[in-house]
Amino acid sequence: QVHLVESGGGLVKPGGSLRLSCAASGFTFSNYYMSWIRQAPGKGLEWLSYMSTSGSTIHYVDSVKGRFTISRDNTKSSLFLQMNSLRAEDTAVYYCATGGYYMEVWGKGTTVTVSS
Amino acid sequence: EIVMTQSPGTLSVSPGERATLSCRASQSITSSLAWYQQKPGQAPRLLIHGASTRPTGIPARFSGSGSGTEFTLTISSLQSEDFAVYYCQQYNDWPGTFGQGTKVEIK
Repeated sequence: QVHLVESGGGLVKPGGSLRLSCAASGFTFSNYYMSWIRQAPGKGLEWLSYMSTSGSTIHYVDSVKGRFTISRDNTKSSLFLQMNSLRAEDTAVYYCATGGYYMEVWGKGTTVTVSS
Repeated sequence: EIVMTQSPGTLSVSPGERATLSCRASQSITSSLAWYQQKPGQAPRLLIHGASTRPTGIPARFSGSGSGTEFTLTISSLQSEDFAVYYCQQYNDWPGTFGQGTKVEIK
């Protein structure tokens, strides 16, 4: 059974950093593009970034470009999102998902709160 | 950036009735459209991709249609578990963008 579990969320001050992780199981992780998507409280969905199977192709949405970095470790079936220079508007639930076009399987999400 | 506009914002439907949700793209996205269902406190679930293809395990009462700029998600006979928010998403161009959602509520 395909399973994604995010971790690493929490409360951080503006300007701070967090590293999110996504542990995958039940499928061959290295064969899948992977994405990060977020949802601010009471709002819609925003696709932040995706990475190809080997990591050779990466895209970021403008709102996080230069601040967030996506990475993966295929040997550990894990996806990461390094988030720097966090702002109040980055407060959201962060989801990892399989796919780089449409998102087939989603994790349950991890909550990031940016507040002083 | 392609803007996705969903209508209506809220749809009130009785169980057993048909629901029709619309999604419009600001420019042609061919058939690069997905639909997701999200229930409160849960992650979204993929219902449709390629505008009309249902992944394995998605009930046949969910169907998608359209191409270019106009798309429709139809739920043929609403079940109690279908009351949720539905999002469309284009993946023709980066960044893939979502509509603002349509809430399907019990009438």
